[in-house]
Amino acid sequence: EAGVVQSPRYKIIEKKQPVAFWCNPISGHNTLYWYLQNLGQGPELLIRYENEEAVDDSQLPKDRFSAERLKGVDSTLKIQPAELGDSAVYLCASSWGSSYSNEQFFGPGTRLTVL
Amino acid sequence: AQTVTQSQPEMSVQEAETVTLSCTYDTSENNYYLFWYKQPPSRQMILVIRQEAYKQQNATENRFSVNFQKAAKSFSLKISDSQLGDTAMYFCAFMIFNNNDMRFGAGTRLTVKP
Repeated sequence: EAGVVQSPRYKIIEKKQPVAFWCNPISGHNTLYWYLQNLGQGPELLIRYENEEAVDDSQLPKDRFSAERLKGVDSTLKIQPAELGDSAVYLCASSWGSSYSNEQFFGPGTRLTVL
Repeated sequence: AQTVTQSQPEMSVQEAETVTLSCTYDTSENNYYLFWYKQPPSRQMILVIRQEAYKQQNATENRFSVNFQKAAKSFSLKISDSQLGDTAMYFCAFMIFNNNDMRFGAGTRLTVKP
């Protein structure tokens, strides 16, 4: 069974440029998470989807970040415009449900460097 | 607010020996769950072990076991018979029952030496 797929794995951009990250969750998983992981820190939730609905986006900086999950499968996270402080790893995870017993499976992440 | 603290930024252990990673948390909730995740250098995070707060019995998964002290709000991970493949970042995480906001600690970098 394929795991959570993310692309690109690495992205280098200049500040003020837009950037987008893509995530394909494990087949059948209806809950999808985007996390931000700064260097030397644990992941922090940005947004959680249940099917197509964003049920928790309280930590998403909506002035520059946006996300979508069309058809309740793949998801895209966008930053426009990127700032130096956005340099981090962006992790995507998925699970069958959203209760604790439904293990979250993580992708390899996208490492963003903003110059 | 729920916080998770891992006080050991880095640890090392000799292969085949036992190591314990510490984690404390702060919450006023009574029903919650605790997790340990492993993130190897390739960055793909995987679940190691989980514990329901209402269970007194400590969870075990093969060489991995936890020491859950609810009153002390402590949740340590013990790795027995350490293997080179255990080298990774280990994150302690907390989630309130029926609230799927998982909070992670800052992590402990574990190195297993041959």
